[in-house]
Amino acid sequence: DTAVSQTPKYLVTQMGNDKSIKCEQNLGHDTMYWYKQDSKKFLKIMFSYNNKELIINETVPNRFSPKSPDKAHLNLHINSLELGDSAVYFCASSTIPTGAGELFFGEGSRLTVL
Amino acid sequence: KNQVEQSPQSLIILEGKNCTLQCNYTVSPFSNLRWYKQDTGRGPVSLTIMTFSENTKSNGRYTATLDADTKQSSLHITASQLSDSASYICVVSPPGANFGNEKLTFGTGTRLTIIP
Repeated sequence: DTAVSQTPKYLVTQMGNDKSIKCEQNLGHDTMYWYKQDSKKFLKIMFSYNNKELIINETVPNRFSPKSPDKAHLNLHINSLELGDSAVYFCASSTIPTGAGELFFGEGSRLTVL
Repeated sequence: KNQVEQSPQSLIILEGKNCTLQCNYTVSPFSNLRWYKQDTGRGPVSLTIMTFSENTKSNGRYTATLDADTKQSSLHITASQLSDSASYICVVSPPGANFGNEKLTFGTGTRLTIIP
């Protein structure tokens, strides 16, 4: 009965490849997010979706493309992977916008680009 | 300079001892301040959420305090246990919630290690 689940947990790939990370939440939340945690453990928001609509799109390279088929799913597709993309990517969801609602994180997907 | 600074960067204490982690922020105004615990290899988990009008919030052995005048928060852990070993992240949220537009500002965390 995992609340926010993301797959895969680990991903090792070569530079230039395209990869996807999937996220699903069973909490009935309207808002979902993708965060990137770098080697210094700093969490930074990448995207925010509310009811399948893109709300926040930080200055993320357009090689990163989020896709939300329904409000329970938010997938992250990355084209032409670069070494600097190596990080842990966290999916999260909240009941209402994060200013008031609690944020629930997935377990993270560690991406290593060789 | 990050708008949310935490100290110390890392801390090692003996099991059973108390400790206090600090968070200084410059985000203003703000809606609420949160503390998260992140175990190694796991996602962050919420410990406490305090609005700007609250001074303290407890969750078991965790007690968070907030001084909005000095823009400081602390997380006090009582009678530490080995399972408290984790990173603790302070997060500040600006006001004006509107469909996910709000942007949380994360601190870089304090790495706490409890030794037996």
